[in-house]
Amino acid sequence: GQQLNQSPQSMFIQEGEDVSMNCTSSSIFNTWLWYKQDPGEGPVLLIALYKAGELTSNGRLTAQFGITRKDSFLNISASIPSDVGIYFCAGQGNYGGSQGNLIFGKGTKLSVKP
Amino acid sequence: EAGVAQSPRYKIIEKRQSVAFWCNPISGHATLYWYQQILGQGPKLLIQFQNNGVVDDSQLPKDRFSAERLKGVDSTLKIQPAKLEDSAVYLCASSQSPYNEQFFGPGTRLTVL
Repeated sequence: GQQLNQSPQSMFIQEGEDVSMNCTSSSIFNTWLWYKQDPGEGPVLLIALYKAGELTSNGRLTAQFGITRKDSFLNISASIPSDVGIYFCAGQGNYGGSQGNLIFGKGTKLSVKP
Repeated sequence: EAGVAQSPRYKIIEKRQSVAFWCNPISGHATLYWYQQILGQGPKLLIQFQNNGVVDDSQLPKDRFSAERLKGVDSTLKIQPAKLEDSAVYLCASSQSPYNEQFFGPGTRLTVL
């Protein structure tokens, strides 16, 4: 089945640092989405990307949809403690018989440096 | 606006027992999804409903899993009998339509002993 490769798997941040993570796929997606999941909660949508090459910002978050439609990255600038959590990329496309279903990466876990 | 509600939040059962999870989507949302999230993984779609009809259940293990959304509102996911590998968080999500933003509930954490 379709898979998304998300990297890094985990990273430690210090307050004020910039963070970057990315996601690649062997398949083309119509839409790329980035979610954040806090412990004991469901994922919450951060940014949605709809066009190849699109660059979108949401506060300190910036994400880009790759030109090939097979990759995306998410940057977080000037990180703060509440940025800690697990970030998932997800691809959405009309493939097979499904309508708008999401394929998720395995996540990037952001933790605070000890 | 109330979010997606799920219950119970936690459930511990022994293998071969049965379990059921309940989901109440956001009011007016026609599309409802059930996802399985194994520890350390991203959510994986099990089944998608559009109103009370099944759109996609290709990844639902139908020999043991079943789901229904009889009146096109709330939904129940059942596992019978449970296996150890069913231990996971079961997330329910809803959206206005298949290509609109999906809103997730807090999930039910299932532990099978």
